[in-house]
Amino acid sequence: DAGITQSPRHKVTETGTPVTLRCHQTENHRYMYWYRQDPGHGLRLIHYSYGVKDTDKGEVSDGYSVSRSKTEDFLLTLESATSSQTSVYFCAISESGRGTNEKLFFGSGTQLSVL
Amino acid sequence: RKEVEQDPGPFNVPEGATVAFNCTYSNSASQSFFWYRQDCRKEPKLLMSVYSSGNEDGRFTAQLNRASQYISLLIRDSKLSDSATYLCVVNEGNQFYFGTGTSLTVIP
Repeated sequence: DAGITQSPRHKVTETGTPVTLRCHQTENHRYMYWYRQDPGHGLRLIHYSYGVKDTDKGEVSDGYSVSRSKTEDFLLTLESATSSQTSVYFCAISESGRGTNEKLFFGSGTQLSVL
Repeated sequence: RKEVEQDPGPFNVPEGATVAFNCTYSNSASQSFFWYRQDCRKEPKLLMSVYSSGNEDGRFTAQLNRASQYISLLIRDSKLSDSATYLCVVNEGNQFYFGTGTSLTVIP
């Protein structure tokens, strides 16, 4: 299994509070991604990173920010959590992000509940 | 319009049956294609890549039709342990797009 660790695994928080989720990889892969998974929507891209300090928005980036200060760490921050951000969050990594046979590997996920 | 579309199912099949899942994608420039398996409350895991020539891994066969922008997965001799959600995934540039998944339950 790819070396990807997400923390925390579960989080319950209140509306309006800031929340940071962490993804740590030991594979030295260039690309890192944050997805959320909700019933009926499948996995949707929030933000991704293609290198240290290099990030870009995905399909559902509103209300989220990210940072990547080291190759191995990719942080997802909800500045002011809302109930619509209750979801399962997955971090994923990819060696080069593109090209034939490029694959994604996932962390175990974080279940976030915003009350 | 969704990038990747799948029949959500659910598919309920008896042990030993053959079952096929289909997926279509909208961008003809898509570069690579995969099937992932996701168990309840777990992360998606790569099942197999999909090639135009077709590829087989034991009881699983994947096929890609670029002209029709269509991907398929065939599972033969279904086992109880095959029960899961199967996700069709397409790589475009540096992003990956997911279908909503097809739910399979194999019944004893």
